[in-house]
Amino acid sequence: QVQLVQSGSELKKPGASVKVSCKASGYTFTSYAMNWVRQAPGQGLEWMGRINTKTGNPMYAQGFTGRFVFSLDTSVSTAYLEISGLKAEDTAVYYCARDLVRGIYNWFDPWGQGTLVTVSS
Amino acid sequence: QSVLTQPPSVSGAPGQRVTISCTGISSNIGAGYDVYWYQRLPGTAPKLLIYGSTYRPSGVPDRFSGSKSGTSASLAISGLQAEDEGDYFCQSYDTSLSGWVFGGGTKLTVL
Repeated sequence: QVQLVQSGSELKKPGASVKVSCKASGYTFTSYAMNWVRQAPGQGLEWMGRINTKTGNPMYAQGFTGRFVFSLDTSVSTAYLEISGLKAEDTAVYYCARDLVRGIYNWFDPWGQGTLVTVSS
Repeated sequence: QSVLTQPPSVSGAPGQRVTISCTGISSNIGAGYDVYWYQRLPGTAPKLLIYGSTYRPSGVPDRFSGSKSGTSASLAISGLQAEDEGDYFCQSYDTSLSGWVFGGGTKLTVL
């Protein structure tokens, strides 16, 4: 079945970097863009942007430029989110979600299980 | 705070009907963009409940329904069941932000 499996929880110190992986299975990886979504503690979901899995071209949402990098390894059907210069406010659950388009409608399906990144000294 | 506004929590007894609102502005829901609703049950990933503001994907029970009017949308859940307990999020597109926006999420408690 179509699924996205993310890497496990991370505990990092301020200033460090983290790389979250999202491995896709059950479909042709390069046929669908991949989105990244963040949920900080007590907050709602925030769309961070997406990456075109065919071209590798990323698009970052406002507030997610500079320290956030989306990348791919199409040979293993995996998308990555790397965050550098980690700050306490980056503590959140990070989700990957496939971009699904059906006619004029566009939604996220499926989602990964989420990766908790905790930034603490 | 989130671009789309949802009530933090709603509750209802088994069998009852509850509604969850999702309020936007003229650059997102009010601009005519569709609303999508997701359900996140404890320990699971979000799952699509409603697309195109009012349509249910196959496999979603008809107890779930969506509506949209003006700058707001609503998700109604009738015949509440204990397994409906979880978080519900709305999503739309915002032309000013040139991207997807979400609500803050609503926690549904089945009493």
